[in-house]
Amino acid sequence: GAVVSQHPSRVICKSGTSVKIECRSLDFQATTMFWYRQFPKQSLMLMATSNEGSKATYEQGVEKDKFLINHASLTLSTLTVTSAHPEDSSFYICSARSDRNTEAFFGQGTRLTVV
Amino acid sequence: KNQVEQSPQSLIILEGKNCTLQCNYTVSPFSNLRWYKQDTGRGPVSLTIMTFSENTKSNGRYTATLDADTKQSSLHITASQLSDSASYICVVSASTGFQKLVFGTGTRLLVSP
Repeated sequence: GAVVSQHPSRVICKSGTSVKIECRSLDFQATTMFWYRQFPKQSLMLMATSNEGSKATYEQGVEKDKFLINHASLTLSTLTVTSAHPEDSSFYICSARSDRNTEAFFGQGTRLTVV
Repeated sequence: KNQVEQSPQSLIILEGKNCTLQCNYTVSPFSNLRWYKQDTGRGPVSLTIMTFSENTKSNGRYTATLDADTKQSSLHITASQLSDSASYICVVSASTGFQKLVFGTGTRLLVSP
């Protein structure tokens, strides 16, 4: 399958700071990327969908000003958690697909801990 | 409401034994159903994907079945190995514009020696 790489795999930051997570499609052009959040022992929850060159579409209840998504190229999307708080601590996962008729592949996830 | 329910929530089996995980869904309209394996602290990895017309698909020791009439799927793992210990997630895709994925809560499988 296609390769989607996330960076960093783990990050610890202080409360009030911002953290950027990168999601890259290594061997295909990703027209659409998805960002998920997963709390312990729970399923993945879709946060937002981004199409290259367009503004992201956020799911209900997700603050777009807090979770900034940029999908500036066909191989890179970034999620920035602004003014992070301990309750933002979670496992963040991205997935990417080349078009709506193909399968989306997941990155390896980023464990964010806000202290 | 689109939902995907999985059972059991968790399962412990001895190495070498077989097991079957269940998935019931109410997603409509239905596009496809996928089973993923998620190791702890990692992203999900696809095991199988089935469309409406497919009722079984295998990937090595993993065999998935789909009954679109009863909206049920199962994942059978044969001759389990320690490395099979993971969460197994059933994901159903609705045939909407962006093929929105509906995730089950997963079954946590522990294979013990």
